[in-house]
Amino acid sequence: DAGITQSPRHKVTETGTPVTLRCHQTENHRYMYWYRQDPGHGLRLIHYSYGVKDTDKGEVSDGYSVSRSKTEDFLLTLESATSSQTSVYFCAISDHRADTQYFGPGTRLTVL
Amino acid sequence: AQSVAQPEDQVNVAEGNPLTVKCTYSVSGNPYLFWYVQYPNRGLQFLLKYITGDNLVKGSYGFEAEFNKSQTSFHLKKPSALVSDSALYFCAVREIQAAGNKLTFGGGTRVLVKP
Repeated sequence: DAGITQSPRHKVTETGTPVTLRCHQTENHRYMYWYRQDPGHGLRLIHYSYGVKDTDKGEVSDGYSVSRSKTEDFLLTLESATSSQTSVYFCAISDHRADTQYFGPGTRLTVL
Repeated sequence: AQSVAQPEDQVNVAEGNPLTVKCTYSVSGNPYLFWYVQYPNRGLQFLLKYITGDNLVKGSYGFEAEFNKSQTSFHLKKPSALVSDSALYFCAVREIQAAGNKLTFGGGTRVLVKP
């Protein structure tokens, strides 16, 4: 497995609270991605990063923000969690050639 | 815009029989194509990819896929399925020049291999 960890692995929170998910890589890869996985929708891209402090939106970015202050860490923040953000969140990385993405183990988030 | 369709939500096959999981794609330019597999409560694992060259691509665990440009398809195949191949399979596409090298995933196909 690629050196990717995600924390926490499981989280239950209440509507309206802020939540931060962390993705950490040991591969020194340039690109990092956040996806959410929902039944029937496959994986949808939330945000991605193409370098330190360089980020951009994906197809479902509303309600999410990201930060990347170091190559190895990519944080996903839900400023005010809603029930529609209950999902499984995956981080992925790829190197400068960016032809293959490798995925972390996922974080299961439940917003009550 | 790029898109992927996996027309079957579930595929059932007997152990030892051939397995095929279908995928069609749409891109405005040349595609990079990928297959991933997800076992229960796990992340996605990379199986194989088509970038260029031979249309038949071989990957992990005995899987292969055939790129067909005229039919815009990239079907995943395995000659003899195992019970342990039961999992969720995702096809993904990227245009070679896509900003951020972003992938678009299909909705997934669940494969159930029965003993």
